[in-house]
Order: sequence, then structure tokens, then C-alpha cells
Amino acid sequence: GGIITQTPKFLIGQEGQKLTLKCQQNFNHDTMYWYRQDSGKGLRLIYYSITENDLQKGDLSEGYDASREKKSSFSLTVTSAQKNEMAVFLCASGSSAETLYFGSGTRLTVL
Amino acid sequence: SQWGEENLQALSIQEGEDVTMNCSYKTYTTVVQWYRQKSGKGPALIILIRSNEREKRSGRLRATLDTSSQSSSLSITGTLATDTAVYFCATDNYAQGLTFGLGTRVSVFP
Repeated sequence: GGIITQTPKFLIGQEGQKLTLKCQQNFNHDTMYWYRQDSGKGLRLIYYSITENDLQKGDLSEGYDASREKKSSFSLTVTSAQKNEMAVFLCASGSSAETLYFGSGTRLTVL
Repeated sequence: SQWGEENLQALSIQEGEDVTMNCSYKTYTTVVQWYRQKSGKGPALIILIRSNEREKRSGRLRATLDTSSQSSSLSITGTLATDTAVYFCATDNYAQGLTFGLGTRVSVFP
């Protein structure tokens, strides 16, 4: 089996700050995803990547950048943190459109 | 974009009872997946049903799929306290992975 590791688990930032979230997977999956989960809501796709150095925008990409320098890692940057961005950010990977494997998330709090 | 919805609900039940939650989706999908998310964890796949299947069982789980009404249900029989979680349905959107519904929060009390 594999694992998805997200760091940090908790991230506290100031409004306007640039913040980076990291994700590592050892499944050897080609595709990786970043989802945002707001309280009481479903998961919304921010960015995904189908291979190293590929980036594709999801429905919620505005205000975010992503980077996939290695197959095993996918990072997400909040370019300018806003108070309404307090949420849990979930990283996932998969070998096809089926069956995504998720990390435990990074909980972002903006002061 | 297609969007799976469970009409966000919160259900509280006693251990041993059965529970059913529903999901409707708006556009064609080849598969409906049900994920369970426990507190502090990411979602994990619990059952998957394909468009050519009407019913799928896995242990205490039963999923149904009605492609004509674009709806799916997940039932859990003989619930346990450990079934307490948020349950999401997800539909495939090949270009962009999966589209998730709002989720159903199930609380099982001993």
C-alpha cells in the first residue's frame, strides 16, 4: 500500500501572506489533485496534474498556484491569503479517473 | 460541470439501525463512487458502482444506481459507532478527476 503525506497539518497565516502547502505520494500515481473543503460543503477542485511538470486548473484555481516538479510531489501556493479561505486543503492521487487516494489534509487558518 | 449532490443532511441514529443516503447527479457518469471521511482524515473509497450495475454490495454496504434518474443510494445495515463519518458520492469527470457532492453527516450513537 501507499500513503499520501501532507505538510503541514495545520497552517496559520496572516491576511495577504503567501502560503505553501506540500503533498507527497508513494503510490507512483501519475495524477495528483488539490481539493478545497469548506465546512459543510463538498470538495472543490483547485488544481490537478496528470504528470510531472503538468498543471491543469480546476474550478477554484483563482488565487492559487501549483507546482509539480517531481512525480511524487505536488505543492499548492495560496498567493495572497484571505480570511474567507479558511478551509481544509486535501491532496489526492490516482492512476486513473477512478479511485482517488487522499491525504489527511492541511487546515488553513488566516488571521 | 457535473455535480453530485446528496442534499446535505445530518443523520443521527442508534447503533444497530440501518441508514440510507441518496445522491443525484446532473450529467452522464460511467461510475459512482462513495467515499467516507472520518474526523480529521481525508475521504476514503468504500464502494464503487458502475453504470452497467444496478446494485453492488460490500459487507454491510449496499449501493444502488439508477442511470435513468441519475441517482445513487448508499445503505449501511447494522450500523456501528465506527460508521460515524461524512459520506460523499462522487461522479467521474475524466478531464478533471472526480466531482464530489456536499456529503451526508452520519452520527451513530451506542
